[in-house]
Amino acid sequence: GENVEQHPSTLSVQEGDSAVIKCTYSDSASNYFPWYKQELGKRPQLIIDIRSNVGEKKDQRIAVTLNKTAKHFSLHITETQPEDSAVYFCAASDAGNMLTFGGGTRLMVKP
Amino acid sequence: DVKVTQSSRYLVKRTGEKVFLECVQDMDHENMFWYRQDPGLGLRLIYFSYDVKMKEKGDIPEGYSVSREKKERFSLILESASTNQTSMYLCASTPVPGYEQYFGPGTRLTVT
Repeated sequence: GENVEQHPSTLSVQEGDSAVIKCTYSDSASNYFPWYKQELGKRPQLIIDIRSNVGEKKDQRIAVTLNKTAKHFSLHITETQPEDSAVYFCAASDAGNMLTFGGGTRLMVKP
Repeated sequence: DVKVTQSSRYLVKRTGEKVFLECVQDMDHENMFWYRQDPGLGLRLIYFSYDVKMKEKGDIPEGYSVSREKKERFSLILESASTNQTSMYLCASTPVPGYEQYFGPGTRLTVT
């Protein structure tokens, strides 16, 4: 089955800096790569996703890049703000359309 | 607005008890999922259902069962709770597999 690894497990940045979270996946048939944000005590919510026919997608301060050859994808957050502090999960959807999640990254943005 | 609800936010049970966790969605979604969330392990799929009365095992089904008698309701059952089932349990639903999943608020289960 699919295996998704996510790094780093914790990330601390200064407000205004950029943050990058990286994920690798194992199943070359995976074709959907969402990113979820989970604030403390709240449910995970989708913040951005990308499909395998696209290399990059941007939504205001967040962007996701996908390298199918290397089987890795990354989340980029620019101009970080304290409200970006949360746990971020990457995921990959295999041929059966089931999501496999990475282990999560706790992002802390220091004011 | 999309809504997934879970029966309890916090639950404390004793070892050996039978535990029911219930999830309800009001979006008429075909597909529903149960995950458990543990630090460093992300979300791991326990069971999913793509239709009423249909169920499929996920990655970690041992010690769990599920029931889906109505489209909007998906229940997770721990037949005999054990301490290693202490965790956060999240329910999710989606209209189509491979698209956005909508999560419930989670149930933090403690088994003592």
